[in-house]
Amino acid sequence: NAGVTQTPKFRILKIGQSMTLQCAQDMNHNYMYWYRQDPGMGLKLIYYSVGAGITDKGEVPNGYNVSRSTTEDFPLRLELAAPSQTSVYFCASRDPGSSYEQYFGPGTRLTVT
Amino acid sequence: AQSVAQPEDQVNVAEGNPLTVKCTYSVSGNPYLFWYVQYPNRGLQFLLKYITGDNLVKGSYGFEAEFNKSQTSFHLKKPSALVSDSALYFCAVRANSGYSTLTFGKGTMLLVSP
Repeated sequence: NAGVTQTPKFRILKIGQSMTLQCAQDMNHNYMYWYRQDPGMGLKLIYYSVGAGITDKGEVPNGYNVSRSTTEDFPLRLELAAPSQTSVYFCASRDPGSSYEQYFGPGTRLTVT
Repeated sequence: AQSVAQPEDQVNVAEGNPLTVKCTYSVSGNPYLFWYVQYPNRGLQFLLKYITGDNLVKGSYGFEAEFNKSQTSFHLKKPSALVSDSALYFCAVRANSGYSTLTFGKGTMLLVSP
C-alpha cells in the first residue's frame, strides 16, 4: 500500500491564483481530513469527510473548498490565494471501524506571494 | 470545545537520560488521547493512544504515556533518550462521541544531545 499520497510536494502561487491540492489513499478509509500546519500553531483542521459525497467544515475553512466524489480521493481547492494561506498542508485518513489513529500524507508546502 | 496544551516549546535532554514531554487536555466526557511524532519535512506518525483501560500505555520506539484523569494529563515518556528521538511531538485529543475530530496541541520540539 502507498498509504496517503499528496501532490504536489511544493508550490508557489501568486496572490489571486487558484489551485487544487490532491490527496489520495489506498486503504479504503471512509474518513479523510485536511489540516494546515503553521509554525508554533500545531495543526488546524480545514475540512473533513466521513464518506463519499459527505464533507464538513473544520476549524479554519475560509478560503478553501473540498469535494469527495470517491472513497480514495479528497482534493482541497484554494480559490483566490492569499498570503495568509502560506502553510504546509497535510491530508490524513482513518478507518472508522478501527482504533482511531489517523494516517498522514507527506504534506504540500505552499507559498503565496 | 476541546483543547490541548503543550506547555513547553522545546525540551532538551542528553542521550541516555529519561525524557518527559508534557500534555494536558480539556474535553467533554471521556477522552481519546494520542501522541504523534513529526520528523523534518515529513508527515505525522502515530506513536501511541489511550482509549480506555490501563493508565500506562506503551507505543512505538520505546515511548510510553501515562493518562492521569484527575490532572487531565497525558505526558509522553521514555526511559532512555536517543539522538534519533529528536523531532516535533504533538499531543491530540478527541471526544468519544460521534464524528468528533482530533484537536492538536502546538507541538513540542525534543532535542536529544549526544
